[in-house]
Formats: sequence, C-alpha cells, structure tokens
Amino acid sequence: GEDVEQSLFLSVREGDSSVINCTYTDSSSTYLYWYKQEPGAGLQLLTYIFSNMDMKQDQRLTVLLNKKDKHLSLRIADTQTGDSAIYFCAETEDSNYQLIWGAGTKLIIKP
Amino acid sequence: DVKVTQSSRYLVKRTGEKVFLECVQDMDHENMFWYRQDPGLGLRLIYFSYDVKMKEKGDIPEGYSVSREKKERFSLILESASTNQTSMYLCASSDTGLGDYGYTFGSGTRLTVV
Repeated sequence: GEDVEQSLFLSVREGDSSVINCTYTDSSSTYLYWYKQEPGAGLQLLTYIFSNMDMKQDQRLTVLLNKKDKHLSLRIADTQTGDSAIYFCAETEDSNYQLIWGAGTKLIIKP
Repeated sequence: DVKVTQSSRYLVKRTGEKVFLECVQDMDHENMFWYRQDPGLGLRLIYFSYDVKMKEKGDIPEGYSVSREKKERFSLILESASTNQTSMYLCASSDTGLGDYGYTFGSGTRLTVV
C-alpha cells in the first residue's frame, strides 16, 4: 500500500527556522497536507499544497513539493515556543476520500 | 467553522466494561473516521463511514465496532474494554472530495482502561 514517512523528532533553537520533511510513495497524490497537533489536542489543518504547485507560502510557513522525488517539506521561519507540537504530513488522491498519514514529527524548541 | 465534537475529553473505564465514544459533526459531511493515536505509532484508522449506516474496517478494527444511524453522528464502541485499548481516540469528518479542507478533527478523547 501507499506510505508516508517522517522522522519522529526535530529539535531547533527558538528563533531559528525549522524544516520538517516528509516522503511519500503515491505517484497519484493530488493534495498534500500538513496538520499540527498541540499537546492534548486534536489535529488542526495548518496548510496544504496541490500537486501542480511546487511551493506555497503563508506567513511564516513555506511548503515545498518535489514531485519527482516525492518529497514534501514544511519550513517554519523564526520558530517560537508556540510552535512546539507534533506535525503530521498526509496525502490523498482527489478521487479518494482517505488520507494516508505519516507518523508525525515532534518539534522540540530549545531556548 | 466546521465543528467536530467528541463527547468526552477524558474517560476512565474498567476492564470488561462496554464503552461508547461519541462524535458529532455539524457540516453535513459524508465521511467520518475513528483513529487511535499512540506514541511513536502515529494515527491508526479503526473504522470509517462514508454514508449513514455504512461502515468500513480500517487497519485495526479488532475489539471495536461502530454505529452511524444519523449522518452527523458516528459512535465508536469498545465491546469489552481492555487495558491495551488505553489510548487517545480521535474522530474526524470530511466532505466527499477532500480538496482544500482535508479532514476536520475533534479534540480527542483520552481513554484510560484500568
């Protein structure tokens, strides 16, 4: 079956940029999503990118998509303590209502 | 705003009890999902439903059942709770085409079985 992989942890210093990476196997992916889960809470949609785009920017967030390598990244500029969370990558084919999830990357902020 | 509401944030149940976890969404979404989340294992799909009275097994359905009698409500049932079902349970809903919105999640229910 299709798979989405992420590293489990990332540690960065406050004020630095964080880059969370994700690789996927589904060559038919149409939408790719980043979700954020704060401690003890559900997941909230952070941003998404459509497969015909290679970059999307939204304030401090930049999503880069390399379709050839099936690689997705989320860059958070000027990382703050409030960015401490687990970040999940997910993908889908548009015709399919199911998301395939990565295991989540826990972002740890060092002072 | 789409809202997905899970009835309890925290629940403590005894081994062998029958447990009901309720989830309600208010945006007329077709699809609803139940996941469990455990450290290091990410999200694992238990069951999903793409229509009223329809249900499909996910990756880990053993020990669980579901009910969807109304479009807005999707219930997860633990027939006889066991300690290995201690976990965070997340409900989600989505429209037929995920598009720009993906899934919308509830806040989660942290279930402890003692």
